[in-house]
Amino acid sequence: SQQGEEDPQALSIQEGENATMNCSYKTSINNLQWYRQNSGRGLVHLILIRSNEREKHSGRLRVTLDTSKKSSSLLITASRAADTASYFCATASNQAGTALIFGKGTTLSVSS
Amino acid sequence: GAVVSQHPSRVICKSGTSVKIECRSLDFQATTMFWYRQFPKQSLMLMATSNEGSKATYEQGVEKDKFLINHASLTLSTLTVTSAHPEDSSFYICSALTGGEFYGYTFGSGTRLTVV
Repeated sequence: SQQGEEDPQALSIQEGENATMNCSYKTSINNLQWYRQNSGRGLVHLILIRSNEREKHSGRLRVTLDTSKKSSSLLITASRAADTASYFCATASNQAGTALIFGKGTTLSVSS
Repeated sequence: GAVVSQHPSRVICKSGTSVKIECRSLDFQATTMFWYRQFPKQSLMLMATSNEGSKATYEQGVEKDKFLINHASLTLSTLTVTSAHPEDSSFYICSALTGGEFYGYTFGSGTRLTVV
C-alpha cells in the first residue's frame, strides 16, 4: 500500500539552486518522515516532523507539514551534486506498531 | 543508536530455488519488523508485518506461501523467497520498530535479489 503522490517525480537543477519536493498522503498520521536513497543503496533518514508541528529545519533541509491538506514539502537549499538521489516521504499512523508507508518518491538530479 | 543488520546484501539464485534473507537487530529487541520490496525506479512497497512469536501479517497481493516470514526471536526476522522466479528479482529491505529512547523505525541496508 502507498500513501499517495509525490511531485515532481523527477527534478533536475543546477548546483546552488534550491530543490522543493512535495508529498501528499491520505490517512491520519502521527508523524511524517523524509528519506534519501542513493541509487541501489539503502535508506538514509533525513528528518521527522510530528503531526502537531508545522515546520522543521535541519541544516540545509526545511520540512513543512499541513495536516489540513495532508501534504508536506521538503526544501533543500543550496543544493550540491552529492544531493543527487531519490527522496521519499513516509508516514507513520497513529496506530502503534504499524509500518511506515512510503510515497512514490522524487528523483533529484543536481548537476555541477 | 539502533542498528539493523541485513544479510546478504546481494544474492543471485537460479529459478526454482529458495533464498533466505536475514534481518537482525543488533542492540535492541525488535518485537515488530517489517519487510518491503522495491522494484527498480519505484518506491518501497510494504510486504508484511512480522511480530515475534506470531504469524506475519501480509499486505494484499503478497503471497504468504511464496514469501515465508519467520520471527522466532526478538532479534531476528527472516524472509524466504520460495521457488524464486525472475519476476521476484527486486530490492528487499527490512525495518524494525525500535522502542525506548530510540523509538522509531530503523532500516536494514537492503538485499538485492537477482533470479536468473
